[in-house]
Amino acid sequence: GDSVTQTEGLVTLTEGLPVMLNCTYQSTYSPFLFWYVQHLNEAPKLLLKSFTDNKRPEHQGFHATLHKSSSSFHLQKSSAQLSDSALYYCALSAGNSAGNKLTFGIGTRVLVRP
Amino acid sequence: EAAVTQSPRNKVAVTGGKVTLSCNQTNNHNNMYWYRQDTGHGLRLIHYSYGAGSTEKGDIPDGYKASRPSQENFSLILELATPSQTSVYFCASGDPPGLGVYAEQFFGPGTRLTVL
Repeated sequence: GDSVTQTEGLVTLTEGLPVMLNCTYQSTYSPFLFWYVQHLNEAPKLLLKSFTDNKRPEHQGFHATLHKSSSSFHLQKSSAQLSDSALYYCALSAGNSAGNKLTFGIGTRVLVRP
Repeated sequence: EAAVTQSPRNKVAVTGGKVTLSCNQTNNHNNMYWYRQDTGHGLRLIHYSYGAGSTEKGDIPDGYKASRPSQENFSLILELATPSQTSVYFCASGDPPGLGVYAEQFFGPGTRLTVL
């Protein structure tokens, strides 16, 4: 079945430093990949999603590149802000999923300190 | 902006009792989903629906039922609640995928359920 692996449970960094969150996946079909962000006591919401034409998605300074050869969709930002402190989920939707079902990783909590 | 609401926002139930969590969306999305969120497990799909009258099992359906009486409403039912079902439950809605495009899911604010 489909699976998503996020290896870091907690990432702590200082404001202004770069951040990279790892995401690798397994899927029988060619999936679409997503990053969702959840701030404290809020609902998860979409941050980025992969494109079919190999464009690199960007939003709020974050970007991610889908590498099919390594089955990865790592999330990066060159300079972290205090407001980036949140829980980040990588998720995939398999190419055969008529219901657009998402399979989520366990999440990476990011804490940005002054 | 997508609008998904859930009620109640907090619920304390007793073991063996019946619990109904409700979700309403005003986006006219065909698909709706119920997830539970637990530390160390992330978001896991319980049930989902393609439209009014349909319900499908997700990845962890045991102990849960779902009901989709209309396009707007999707309920999650715990007939005999157990302490292991203590969790935060999220409802979401979204369009079905288009040609080569997978639409985002819009999440509600969540319901915190405690089963004693």
